[in-house]
Amino acid sequence: DVKVTQSSRYLVKRTGEKVFLECVQDMDHENMFWYRQDPGLGLRLIYFSYDVKMKEKGDIPEGYSVSREKKERFSLILESASTNQTSMYLCASQVGAGAEAFFGQGTRLTVV
Amino acid sequence: GEDVEQSLFLSVREGDSSVINCTYTDSSSTYLYWYKQEPGAGLQLLTYIFSNMDMKQDQRLTVLLNKKDKHLSLRIADTQTGDSAIYFCAESEGGADGLTFGKGTHLIIQP
Repeated sequence: DVKVTQSSRYLVKRTGEKVFLECVQDMDHENMFWYRQDPGLGLRLIYFSYDVKMKEKGDIPEGYSVSREKKERFSLILESASTNQTSMYLCASQVGAGAEAFFGQGTRLTVV
Repeated sequence: GEDVEQSLFLSVREGDSSVINCTYTDSSSTYLYWYKQEPGAGLQLLTYIFSNMDMKQDQRLTVLLNKKDKHLSLRIADTQTGDSAIYFCAESEGGADGLTFGKGTHLIIQP
């Protein structure tokens, strides 16, 4: 089975802190994604990557950056956390274009 | 841009059929998916359908696609308490830019 692992289930950070959310997949998938999920808004794509060191902006990239130094790992970075970034963050990976996306368990981030 | 619309809530009695509906705007959609999210968990793929199909059945699940109207539905037969979850409709053109999701439908099961 494909496994997508997010490093933390819950995080509490202070406003202005730099925050790293880590995601690792074990199936050599090409594509990886970061979404945030908010009540009533569904899932919104923040960034995605289709290869090592490649990254593309999604629908809501402002306030975020990403890093993909190795194929299996995709990191989401909040350069200076703000309270409006309190959310559930979901990482996903996909073997290739159009294929099923596999999701991690999510990281619930609270910024205080 | 692409848009995927779903009702936010659906309430059904245990044992009845549930029908969750979804509409999408992107005529280039190639793949259409239904994901399930249980409380506190990530999303799990339930089923998918290619745009050149109009129906797919998998045990208690039936997916119907009306490509002309850009309407997708998920029918769950004999709904059980374990089916209580949020159901997301999603579409993809088959490119590398991921899936576009609806806002999710909360399925509430009444005893």
